[in-house]
Amino acid sequence: DAKTTQPPSMDCAEGRAANLPCNHSTISGNEYVYWYRQIHSQGPQYIIHGLKNNETNEMASLIITEDRKSSTLILPHATLRDTAVYYCIVGRGSNYKLTFGKGTLLTVNP
Amino acid sequence: DAGVTQSPTHLIKTRGQQVTLRCSPKSGHDTVSWYQQALGQGPQFIFQYYEEEERQRGNFPDRFSGHQFPNYSSELNVNALLLGDSALYLCASSSREYGYTFGSGTRLTVV
Repeated sequence: DAKTTQPPSMDCAEGRAANLPCNHSTISGNEYVYWYRQIHSQGPQYIIHGLKNNETNEMASLIITEDRKSSTLILPHATLRDTAVYYCIVGRGSNYKLTFGKGTLLTVNP
Repeated sequence: DAGVTQSPTHLIKTRGQQVTLRCSPKSGHDTVSWYQQALGQGPQFIFQYYEEEERQRGNFPDRFSGHQFPNYSSELNVNALLLGDSALYLCASSSREYGYTFGSGTRLTVV
């Protein structure tokens, strides 16, 4: 599985957009980019995933560069409840194992 | 709709003992995966069960074993517990149509 690189921590002001970057330069053509987040002492929660095109759902937007070597997760209006560790994962499909890194601790400040 | 249910939520065991953790998948999911999460680290893949067989396995010793039942629920067994086995154990269910849904985990402390 391709490895990902994320900053260890980021801060964001409440109500502002949070942009979380991820590098995955060794991604293969059939691998998806997944984003999960984990709030303290809970299990990881699925946010969004994509293959080539940008994706948007009720939680976030995912922007994947044309060469697919990096992506950005966007939380359009961050709230205090969005404080969590965010994991960017590259994987082969919804039933394949997920390889987690250390993720990015996003702290949303009032 | 109930999500993934894990039991127990917390457990304390002594070194050398054996432990069994249980997981009930989300309705409609037929695949169960287990992950170990040490403090401050991301979850690490242990193994995955589908159709009552181990389909994928991570880099964990044979002390870690599992089982999946016909109703898709699953157990994780760990023998000869070590202090280093202390962690949050996460169960995730999935299917080809749906992505992963994680449970809240079982916090295992080995003393």
